[in-house]
Amino acid sequence: DAMVIQNPRYQVTQFGKPVTLSCSQTLNHNVMYWYQQKSSQAPKLLFHYYDKDFNNEADTPDNFQSRRPNTSFCFLDIRSPGLGDAAMYLCATSSPGVGYYEQYFGPGTRLTVT
Amino acid sequence: AQSVTQLGSHVSVSEGALVLLRCNYSSSVPPYLFWYVQYPNQGLQLLLKYTSAATLVKGINGFEAEFKKSETSFHLTKPSAHMSDAAEYFCAVSLSGGSNYKLTFGKGTLLTVNP
Repeated sequence: DAMVIQNPRYQVTQFGKPVTLSCSQTLNHNVMYWYQQKSSQAPKLLFHYYDKDFNNEADTPDNFQSRRPNTSFCFLDIRSPGLGDAAMYLCATSSPGVGYYEQYFGPGTRLTVT
Repeated sequence: AQSVTQLGSHVSVSEGALVLLRCNYSSSVPPYLFWYVQYPNQGLQLLLKYTSAATLVKGINGFEAEFKKSETSFHLTKPSAHMSDAAEYFCAVSLSGGSNYKLTFGKGTLLTVNP
């Protein structure tokens, strides 16, 4: 089945230690998104790629970076995780439908910072 | 700019009772509207979407929603709640044209189903 895959599902890192989260897709979608979701809150868009074009949200901290080496893969790098970065990180993909983009979400990676 | 308001951060129903989760949107252009469900420690799953075709939209798991332009609403309903419906539900809007590849989410409604 076509899907969005996130690895690992659970990640524990130390305060200040760089960490990378991975997302892959078999849907061949143009757009890939990274969201941060804290407990009992809505997902917050960090950035997205439209093909190779990177689009950062204005309020995304510089501590968060992303790479998309090819259509299928996208990575979220957190350069120096703080305690406030502990959250669920969701990857999503989409491709143009008839005037709209339906987003498909992966299962998420829960990041714990110790 | 668009926005979404979900009335009630927590809704509790008995098994077999009607489920009604409320969503109102604000949009300067015709919107596309989505309902997503999220189970604990999982990603978001699309329940249903309104894309300017039929105003009454049927989704998965017996859910449906009706787009009412005059009320700027897109409420989610299910005639009979099941224990497995307990989850967080998010309403989301995207705009037609322009930056329509982004979603604006409501704050979510946690649905509890009591036996």
